[in-house]
Amino acid sequence: ETGVTQTPRHLVMGMTNKKSLKCEQHLGHNAMYWYKQSAKKPLELMFVYSLEERVENNSVPSRFSPECPNSSHLFLHLHTLQPEDSALYLCASSLSDRGPAEQFFGPGTRLTVL
Amino acid sequence: ILNVEQSPQSLHVQEGDSTNFTCSFPSSNFYALHWYRWETAKSPEALFVMTLNGDEKKKGRISATLNTKEGYSYLYIKGSQPEDSATYLCAPYGGSQGNLIFGKGTKLSVKP
Repeated sequence: ETGVTQTPRHLVMGMTNKKSLKCEQHLGHNAMYWYKQSAKKPLELMFVYSLEERVENNSVPSRFSPECPNSSHLFLHLHTLQPEDSALYLCASSLSDRGPAEQFFGPGTRLTVL
Repeated sequence: ILNVEQSPQSLHVQEGDSTNFTCSFPSSNFYALHWYRWETAKSPEALFVMTLNGDEKKKGRISATLNTKEGYSYLYIKGSQPEDSATYLCAPYGGSQGNLIFGKGTKLSVKP
């Protein structure tokens, strides 16, 4: 048990749907992250939140919209996605957003966009 | 852009074999290097976080070394077991982006 949970674990959606991914951590961490893993590509950082403020946005399309209402919860709101957005979306948290802090990952949401 | 290379891409070994993988990264602006272990259908799990040149860390049969001057890290597994089968990811922290940049990983399969 890593202490980071994600729901749902699997999601199938059409291009016109709106859905949200949820991430929750009970580790007392101050930083939370969204990563994307597409087939045969490395993990790509999408967003970083530190103390509930977004500190990094890696040129992610606006159809992905993150929300961090408090230090324990992180959402990724999805709307008008494309089939190429199908991927595994991982959430992670760490004590801080500085380099030596190891990140704790959730199990991921496998997203399929039809 | 921080270019992270891991080799080999995949590795098949017999139970009891010892093995090692390589992670190469630009040595400029280095701050820290992370190693993660990712088993199929599970979450990536941190193995080591290394910051100092010459650092060597060990966890059971797994150890890692770091050379920040030449930009590489080795991960060693002594006496591989089937439960070591996983993808091993390295991720340096630093460079212009200041975040973890993951390599594609080395996929290890250990046959009983």
